[in-house]
Amino acid sequence: KAGVTQTPRYLIKTRGQQVTLSCSPISGHRSVSWYQQTPGQGLQFLFEYFSETQRNKGNFPGRFSGRQFSNSRSEMNVSTLELGDSALYLCASSSPLQPTEAFFGQGTRLTVV
Amino acid sequence: EDQVTQSPEALRLQEGESSSLNCSYTVSGLRGLFWYRQDPGKGPEFLFTLYSAGEEKEKERLKATLTKKESFLHITAPKPEDSATYLCAVQTMNQAGTALIFGKGTTLSVSS
Repeated sequence: KAGVTQTPRYLIKTRGQQVTLSCSPISGHRSVSWYQQTPGQGLQFLFEYFSETQRNKGNFPGRFSGRQFSNSRSEMNVSTLELGDSALYLCASSSPLQPTEAFFGQGTRLTVV
Repeated sequence: EDQVTQSPEALRLQEGESSSLNCSYTVSGLRGLFWYRQDPGKGPEFLFTLYSAGEEKEKERLKATLTKKESFLHITAPKPEDSATYLCAVQTMNQAGTALIFGKGTTLSVSS
């Protein structure tokens, strides 16, 4: 079956702009989580959505937001981009039957210049 | 504060030279501990979930074990294709949902 799909794979944006990233989970998976990965901080949890509701949130500023649609697809938005937002953004989905197994997408590499 | 620490940061092995990676954790209540493998430019690939002290899981040349304070990923007779970054993560009782706290990983290089 198809894995987690993230689009786009690469993005270059300018400071101050905003960006929207997309994640399509594995079919049947209702939980979608977002993570930021940087060389210095490693993988850090941003937020999780389940059945269109935010279930959990990490320690990131309000410029980072997300949403989930009725088909479980999710989007993440970052407003007023800063240089420090350059990172690999990863999406993971999990099934209600095995909620502890998270499957990751390939990620979106965001570069802010 | 919940924390996950992995050691060493980097490990170089010869093909066939067995070794172990360490993941120590400090959490208020462990719901589960996870091991992932990440290749350059790709997302993490799920390997194992461990839930309670004493539990062990195996997959090919990899074996994961769990105690009350740490987990080990044992690699037996590694091959060059085992070269990757291995990530350890925990879920805690404090968190709703499936949020994971990751360590910074161990980068393994296996040469032939």
